Amino acid sequence: DAGVTQSPTHLIKTRGQHVTLRCSPISGHKSVSWYQQVLGQGPQFIFQYYEKEERGRGNFPDRFSARQFPNYSSELNVNALLLGDSALYLCASSRKTGQETQYFGPGTRLLVL
Amino acid sequence: AQSVTQLDSQVPVFEEAPVELRCNYSSSVSVYLFWYVQYPNQGLQLLLKYLSGSTLVESINGFEAEFNKSQTSFHLRKPSVHISDTAEYFCAVSDLIKAAGNKLTFGGGTRVLVKP
Repeated sequence: DAGVTQSPTHLIKTRGQHVTLRCSPISGHKSVSWYQQVLGQGPQFIFQYYEKEERGRGNFPDRFSARQFPNYSSELNVNALLLGDSALYLCASSRKTGQETQYFGPGTRLLVL
Repeated sequence: AQSVTQLDSQVPVFEEAPVELRCNYSSSVSVYLFWYVQYPNQGLQLLLKYLSGSTLVESINGFEAEFNKSQTSFHLRKPSVHISDTAEYFCAVSDLIKAAGNKLTFGGGTRVLVKP
């Protein structure tokens, strides 16, 4: 089975623009989580979705939003990009929430100029 | 709120020598514990996890970690490292409360550089 896939792999944007990142979970996984990893730091939790509903939100501004589709894929949207949004954005999937192990995709590296 | 502290940001080690990566956590509830590895320019791969049962857990590539509840630690060890173990290692926790989902809280990471 394919692992978690993310697109695009790399992205360059300028300040003030909007970006959409995409994630496809492992087949059979119904939960998707998003993390931001700034260079030199550990990943920080942004959102979790399960069965198309938001189940958790980290300490990120309202410029960050996400959604999950009926096929369990997910999009992360970031509006009004700031230089500080430059990071590796990681998507993780699990069968459900609670006790399930999360499996990560390769990430999308976003550079904001 | 949970927090994870990885006490060493970088650990240089010679090939075939042992290595220990330290991880301490703080949580008001019981937790699950994980170690993830990140190779250069890649995402995170699960190395091993502690959910319940034996406090000593092992991975398929020779790493092991021991959960110590009294010391709130989950240190990672390998008795003999290879060049291919050069990577960044992240300790993470998630709490046992199902309603809270399985959000992971990560430490800052430990960069392991294996020298020949």
